Amino acid sequence: ETGVTQSPTHLIKTRGQQVTLRCSSQSGHNTVSWYQQALGQGPQFIFQYYREEENGRGNFPPRFSGLQFPNYSSELNVNALELDDSALYLCASSRPGTSGGARDNEQFFGPGTRLTVL
Amino acid sequence: ELKVEQNPLFLSMQEGKNYTIYCNYSTTSDRLYWYRQDPGKSLESLFVLLSNGAVKQEGRLMASLDTKARLSTLHITAAVHDLSATYFCAVDMSRGSQGNLIFGKGTKLSVKP
Repeated sequence: ETGVTQSPTHLIKTRGQQVTLRCSSQSGHNTVSWYQQALGQGPQFIFQYYREEENGRGNFPPRFSGLQFPNYSSELNVNALELDDSALYLCASSRPGTSGGARDNEQFFGPGTRLTVL
Repeated sequence: ELKVEQNPLFLSMQEGKNYTIYCNYSTTSDRLYWYRQDPGKSLESLFVLLSNGAVKQEGRLMASLDTKARLSTLHITAAVHDLSATYFCAVDMSRGSQGNLIFGKGTKLSVKP
């Protein structure tokens, strides 16, 4: 079973540019969630995609947008980059649970993309 | 708005000692998670706690949940250097669907010989 993968690993951009980050979900998972983790902070929820539709969004401006593809992989796009966008971006995949157990809907995290905005 | 507060934020321990990390949250939730993160790495799931009074143990770590007090604890027994990492609690706000997680700020644990 392949885990969650993300690309690229590291990225350096300048203020005002646009960036696309990619995530491949774990086999059998149809939901992808994106999180932003600033240095020294806990991850913050950006949005979630379920079956190619946005299924919830955190407190992030519209310049953060996303897509999910039929194979359930996902992209996070950030326009008009700002210095404060520098962070580790994590994606997590999951699937609906049916057993009612603790591991239902559990999110499995990828290794992250480290974005630096100069 | 849900708030998740962890304390302490920094913890320096000697090997062999015991300590507890606390996680308070402000709104009712279906489930609570504990994660471990090593420097520059992603999040590793440690425990999932569903119900009031739930207790889970893995090695030197034990997690518990009191939903009435909206409090979870992560207890470390006889700490060893390999436990040095940042520990996060996260509360699931989804209410039955696949939801988003609200994380605490993390507790950076350093275990010294």
